[in-house]
Amino acid sequence: DQQVKQNSPSLSVQEGRISILNCDYTNSMFDYFLWYKKYPAEGPTFLISISSIKDKNEDGRFTVFLNKSAKHLSLHIVPSQPGDSAVYFCAASAFTVRFGAGTRLTVKP
Amino acid sequence: EAGVAQSPRYKIIEKRQSVAFWCNPISGHATLYWYQQILGQGPKLLIQFQNNGVVDDSQLPKDRFSAERLKGVDSTLKIQPAKLEDSAVYLCASSLGWVRNTIYFGEGSWLTVV
Repeated sequence: DQQVKQNSPSLSVQEGRISILNCDYTNSMFDYFLWYKKYPAEGPTFLISISSIKDKNEDGRFTVFLNKSAKHLSLHIVPSQPGDSAVYFCAASAFTVRFGAGTRLTVKP
Repeated sequence: EAGVAQSPRYKIIEKRQSVAFWCNPISGHATLYWYQQILGQGPKLLIQFQNNGVVDDSQLPKDRFSAERLKGVDSTLKIQPAKLEDSAVYLCASSLGWVRNTIYFGEGSWLTVV
């Protein structure tokens, strides 16, 4: 069930720089997209979302961009901080919510 | 506001034994989800309830997994008999509704089958 794909298993960036995490989806019925952050031994925590009627949503250091024609979304974190080091999951929703495999972000001091 | 509660947090069983996990969603949340997360993979939806009705159980291995949400509030996920490949974190989540809603996760129940 690979309807949501995160093709980069890991990403390493320097503190203060931009982190860009990417996500692709295949099902055109998805109309609501979410990003979650997960620390070890904890459940995923909600970070930011975007509806398909928008192409951008910002919340502090986090911005999500949606390109519906390409079926692609991305999460930008600016500036990146060491505390942002975690696994990030992209999720897409129609009547159910499907998740990607995750990208492990490491922010180096 | 209390979050999604799950128990037990950790369980080790032998293959062919049975196990049950319990979940209590956020108060007022009509939609409840059970996800399976195997190490290194993303959460995989096992079953989704809207109140006490099933919305999606297409990825639930029904020969060994069962779930119920009898009164539309808390839920139980059972595995019987367990296999080695069932070793995973079982995540319960809830949302207000089932369309364009943010879902909130519990801390998960870690299962090791030996």
